[in-house]
Amino acid sequence: GAVVSQHPSWVICKSGTSVKIECRSLDFQATTMFWYRQFPKQSLMLMATSNEGSKATYEQGVEKDKFLINHASLTLSTLTVTSAHPEDSSFYICSASWGLAGTNEQFFGPGTRLTVL
Amino acid sequence: GQNIDQPTEMTATEGAIVQINCTYQTSGFNGLFWYQQHAGEAPTFLSYNVLDGLEEKGRFSSFLSRSKGYSYLLLKELQMKDSASYLCAVSDAGNKLTFGGGTRVLVKP
Repeated sequence: GAVVSQHPSWVICKSGTSVKIECRSLDFQATTMFWYRQFPKQSLMLMATSNEGSKATYEQGVEKDKFLINHASLTLSTLTVTSAHPEDSSFYICSASWGLAGTNEQFFGPGTRLTVL
Repeated sequence: GQNIDQPTEMTATEGAIVQINCTYQTSGFNGLFWYQQHAGEAPTFLSYNVLDGLEEKGRFSSFLSRSKGYSYLLLKELQMKDSASYLCAVSDAGNKLTFGGGTRVLVKP
C-alpha cells in the first residue's frame, strides 16, 4: 500500500514553454502533498505544501507564479513549471501524506526529471 | 527553521559496519526520518524515530537523542547494494520535512 506515482518520469522541453507534472496517490487519500526539487548531488528542497481544496503554501524563495500547484482532489496534485528556463532543469519529487494524528510519514513518488533546453 | 548536518561522504568495506551521524537544531520536532536514495531515484523510507532510543530493523538501526539533537543510522553487514545516499530528515509539527544534505556511502569490495 501507500503507492505514489508521478507522470511523466522524464521530460525535455524548450526554454519558454510550460511543463505539467502529475502526482497521484494510488491507494490512499492524500490530505497533504509536498513538492520537492533536487539538483545534482544535493538534497531535497521543499518547494511547497499542498492541501486538497486550498492554495499551496510556498517555501521562501520559491516563485508561486512560476511553479503553479493545483490539488483538486485527494488523489491528484499537479505542478506546472511555467516559462521554463534551463536553470529549472532538476529532479522534481512529490510526496503524499494522509496526515492522520501520529502518522506523519510521507510516501514519495518516483520523481520527474526535467531538462530545459 | 531547521538546520540539519550530516557528513558528505563515507567509505566502508563490504561486510563492515558504518554509522552515519545527523545533528539538528529545530524550531519544532515531530520525529526524525532516515531515507535511502539511489542515484536518479526517489528516496525510500528506512526508519522513523520520535522517542529517544534505538530502533532496530534488520541490518539497519536508528538512534535518537532529542535532548542532544542527535541521531545516527547504523548499517551492518554492508552489501554492495547499500552504496547510496542516506538522507536524514526532521519533521516539524506541520509534518513538513527538512532534509539534511545527505551522506553518500560507498561500499568497496
